[in-house]
Amino acid sequence: DADVTQTPRNRITKTGKRIMLECSQTKGHDRMYWYRQDPGLGLRLIYYSFDVKDINKGEISDGYSVSRQAQAKFSLSLESAIPNQTALYFCATGSDNTYEQYFGPGTRLTVT
Amino acid sequence: AQSVTQLDSHVSVSEGTPVLLRCNYSSSYSPSLFWYVQHPNKGLQLLLKYTSAATLVKGINGFEAEFKKSETSFHLTKPSAHMSDAAEYFCVVSDTGGGNKLTFGTGTQLKVEL
Repeated sequence: DADVTQTPRNRITKTGKRIMLECSQTKGHDRMYWYRQDPGLGLRLIYYSFDVKDINKGEISDGYSVSRQAQAKFSLSLESAIPNQTALYFCATGSDNTYEQYFGPGTRLTVT
Repeated sequence: AQSVTQLDSHVSVSEGTPVLLRCNYSSSYSPSLFWYVQHPNKGLQLLLKYTSAATLVKGINGFEAEFKKSETSFHLTKPSAHMSDAAEYFCVVSDTGGGNKLTFGTGTQLKVEL
């Protein structure tokens, strides 16, 4: 089984709708991250969490919110989706001891 | 502050020839550096990492990278390209004062031709 899972894998939604992307991990890591990937821009950090009670904004948090329901679960919400939020979204985990991160398979979100 | 510049957005090589993907970084602290690979419609996989040990780092699938502090570079190389190497490659920096946050380069698309 995959260490980091994301649901859904693909989603098409309409402008103005609220949508939640979910991430679960079995690696036992405290740190979890949400990124978005756009062609030619690499990955950009949306939010990150160092533990259940510690949530931090990344470089592009406007229009997004997150919830860390448990050590293993970290959800990303788009309060009112807009077309420029169409992107590939990745969840990642990281341990306290190393700097590498482990990525989920991604969620492709399309906002029409 | 930290940043990464991948000097080529696209690289094309013939199968069996060497691969060179170039990366320069900027970091306020002692950096950790990574190369990740993304195959089409797949997630990101760690190829290799530098975390202040040996400056020549060996990764999976025959890739390696050399950390050169004087040049602020961390170029990725492979002696002989294989068709399965065709993918997008990301150079990534995490500085030790940055709370484990990664900064990604914009990616290099590697094409391998017969």
